[in-house]
Amino acid sequence: DGGITQSPKYLFRKEGQNVTLSCEQNLNHDAMYWYRQDPGQGLRLIYYSQIVNDFQKGDIAEGYSVSREKKESFPLTVTSAQKNPTAFYLCASTLGERNNQPQHFGDGTRLSIL
Amino acid sequence: AQSVAQPEDQVNVAEGNPLTVKCTYSVSGNPYLFWYVQYPNRGLQFLLKYITGDNLVKGSYGFEAEFNKSQTSFHLKKPSALVSDSALYFCAVSEMTGNTPLVFGKGTRLSVIA
Repeated sequence: DGGITQSPKYLFRKEGQNVTLSCEQNLNHDAMYWYRQDPGQGLRLIYYSQIVNDFQKGDIAEGYSVSREKKESFPLTVTSAQKNPTAFYLCASTLGERNNQPQHFGDGTRLSIL
Repeated sequence: AQSVAQPEDQVNVAEGNPLTVKCTYSVSGNPYLFWYVQYPNRGLQFLLKYITGDNLVKGSYGFEAEFNKSQTSFHLKKPSALVSDSALYFCAVSEMTGNTPLVFGKGTRLSVIA
């Protein structure tokens, strides 16, 4: 079955630590996205990538970093500069770059501070 | 810049009654509009989209939405609600021209009471 796999499902971060969230897709989609979800705030875009080796900042990129070395993988690093990282993180992908394609979502990673 | 408003944080409806979840949008040109549903601790699932053509769009699980250009609205509807429809619903918009990512509303929690 094709889909998006996010791991781990739960993650705990210590003060001053960087952590990396994994996102892998086998849908052969070109574009991938990272969102942060906080209660009552909907989804906010962190970073997105429309092609391998290229990515753009979203609305809340500060304290986060990404890479897109392979089409199927788009890992997100939450750095120690992100002072309030506790949230539910969602990865998504779409076929092509056109805005009329629906996004497919993984089942998320819940990040908490120890 | 595009934006989406979901004016109701919570909608309660009795099982078997019709339901409506409201969405209004703002874009500078023509919109692409989407509805997604989220169950607890899961990613978002695509329900339906408006790209062009017929203003009444039919989607998954018996849901439909009506595009109203003059009122800049895209309300989600279902003729007869089920308890299993209880979830968090998100409206999203992107512009037909350009390449900007989707913008999501803050979500509306639907509670269907038996």
